[in-house]
Amino acid sequence: DAMVIQNPRYQVTQFGKPVTLSCSQTLNHNVMYWYQQKSSQAPKLLFHYYDKDFNNEADTPDNFQSRRPNTSFCFLDIRSPGLGDAAMYLCATSKTRGNTEAFFGQGTRLTVV
Amino acid sequence: QKEVEQDPGPLSVPEGAIVSLNCTYSNSAFQYFMWYRQYSRKGPELLMYTYSSGNKEDGRFTAQVDKSSKYISLFIRDSQPSDSATYLCAMSGGTGFQKLVFGTGTRLLVSP
Repeated sequence: DAMVIQNPRYQVTQFGKPVTLSCSQTLNHNVMYWYQQKSSQAPKLLFHYYDKDFNNEADTPDNFQSRRPNTSFCFLDIRSPGLGDAAMYLCATSKTRGNTEAFFGQGTRLTVV
Repeated sequence: QKEVEQDPGPLSVPEGAIVSLNCTYSNSAFQYFMWYRQYSRKGPELLMYTYSSGNKEDGRFTAQVDKSSKYISLFIRDSQPSDSATYLCAMSGGTGFQKLVFGTGTRLLVSP
């Protein structure tokens, strides 16, 4: 039944050690998004893909990268995680860029030690 | 001033109460309005999606949009303990890529 699947649900990484979070979707949506959500805060958009077209938010740190090898999968790479990067990372999809009815995965909670 | 304002709560109500959750916004270009429910340590779940002004009903949930006042509401009838969660409003609109702008969420607690 799950339409947007994130793995792992919980990830612990060491300070400075690269980490990759993954997202897959069965909705065949064109757009995939990565959000960062810290405790009691609104989700913050990091970047999105429209098909293979990558779009970075202006205030997303260079430490965050993304890959979308095909329609179904999208990855978030954090090159050198800092303590401030500990958060819930949410993947979402929408059918088109103009249709912002977005569907979220269950999230990956990242802890940096 | 934030683009979207939402009272963080918590809002505590007894089971069976009618709950009213609200957001105000400043960007008159917004035309798509959503409500998400987020349980602790889970991803947001889309509850309601509306376009422009008006009402939309789905079971115990009713979404209202008043664009003239830049004010949206979510009503929950016959609230249940399982409704206890954080409710996020989100909206978008304008030209080009329509980025979703979220409120910070209202935490709702429904006691048995």
